[in-house]
Amino acid sequence: KAGVTQTPRYLIKTRGQQVTLSCSPISGHRSVSWYQQTPGQGLQFLFEYFSETQRNKGNFPGRFSGRQFSNSRSEMNVSTLELGDSALYLCASSWPLLAGSTDTQYFGPGTRLTVL
Amino acid sequence: GQQLNQSPQSMFIQEGEDVSMNCTSSSIFNTWLWYKQDPGEGPVLLIALYKAGELTSNGRLTAQFGITRKDSFLNISASIPSDVGIYFCAGNYGGSQGNLIFGKGTKLSVKP
Repeated sequence: KAGVTQTPRYLIKTRGQQVTLSCSPISGHRSVSWYQQTPGQGLQFLFEYFSETQRNKGNFPGRFSGRQFSNSRSEMNVSTLELGDSALYLCASSWPLLAGSTDTQYFGPGTRLTVL
Repeated sequence: GQQLNQSPQSMFIQEGEDVSMNCTSSSIFNTWLWYKQDPGEGPVLLIALYKAGELTSNGRLTAQFGITRKDSFLNISASIPSDVGIYFCAGNYGGSQGNLIFGKGTKLSVKP
């Protein structure tokens, strides 16, 4: 079974631009969560999608948005990039048996975003 | 945002030694998770704990969910070079992935 895939793996953008990252969950998984990882703040939750609906959202500005498609693939978008958005963006998929349960999350390798 | 207090921040040990790391929180958690992250990779789930007092093993790894539900520890016995990496604890108090809070990690280095 293929793991979680994320594209692209590396990305360089300049301030003010926007970026779209993609995540393909493990086949059959319906929940996709996104995290931002930085040396200073560590791993922080961005949002979770389940069956094409955003189910939970972390404490990030509205410049960060996402969506999920009917095949469970997910994208996240960051508009008006700032230097502080440079980070490793990770997505994780799971197939929660119960709504709201913390089932095993499988992480992808991440997308390394650098904002210049 | 809220974070867990994970310690130590880093450890340098000799191959064969045992390792212990822990996480504490001011909030009560319903779930504790332990992950390991290798360079250039995403975190891999090692152990999940769902009940206060629960002690779970995964090979040479053992983790416990504290009785107070505000702490957890992870032990690695007889460390080997491939144990090198960053270990993260994560807690969940709201019953949904939206409330998954991560520690800042313990960087483990093993000298052969």
